[in-house]
Amino acid sequence: DAKTTQPPSMDCAEGRAANLPCNHSTISGNEYVYWYRQIHSQGPQYIIHGLKNNETNEMASLIITEDRKSSTLILPHATLRDTAVYYCIVRASYSGAGSYQLTFGKGTKLSVIP
Amino acid sequence: DAGVTQSPTHLIKTRGQQVTLRCSPKSGHDTVSWYQQALGQGPQFIFQYYEEEERQRGNFPDRFSGHQYPNYSSELNVNALLLGDSALYLCASSSGQGFGYTFGSGTRLTVV
Repeated sequence: DAKTTQPPSMDCAEGRAANLPCNHSTISGNEYVYWYRQIHSQGPQYIIHGLKNNETNEMASLIITEDRKSSTLILPHATLRDTAVYYCIVRASYSGAGSYQLTFGKGTKLSVIP
Repeated sequence: DAGVTQSPTHLIKTRGQQVTLRCSPKSGHDTVSWYQQALGQGPQFIFQYYEEEERQRGNFPDRFSGHQYPNYSSELNVNALLLGDSALYLCASSSGQGFGYTFGSGTRLTVV
């Protein structure tokens, strides 16, 4: 799986949009971009994933650049409960013999400030 | 609909002992993966079970072994515990498609 690079920490004011960047310059054509977050003392929580088109769900939006070498996770209105470590992961598509592992880095620690 | 259930939540063991951690996957999921998370680090992949067989394995010694039962539940066994095995052990389940793993809250293992 391709390697990802994320800033170690970011701050965001409550109510503002949080934009979390991720670089994945070695991503290959069949690799998806996944985002997970981990709130203190809990297991990681799936947020969103995408291949090449921008994606949106009830939690966040994912913007992938046209060359797919970087992406941004957007939390449109950050709340204190969004304070967590956010992981950007690239992973090959499913092939049929069980699922592929997730390779976590250290992620970005997002602090939402009142 | 219950998510992933792990037991126990906390465990203290003595160096050299053996430990078994348990995981019940989310309803409808057939694949179980185990991860080890040391303090301040991201989770590290241990192994994955599908159709009762170990399908993939990370860079962990043979002291780490597992099992998957016909009902898809799984166990992680660690023999000859070392102080460095102290960590949060996470179980994640997924369906055949594999899009979006569901993680449990983990078992906090402390080796003294």
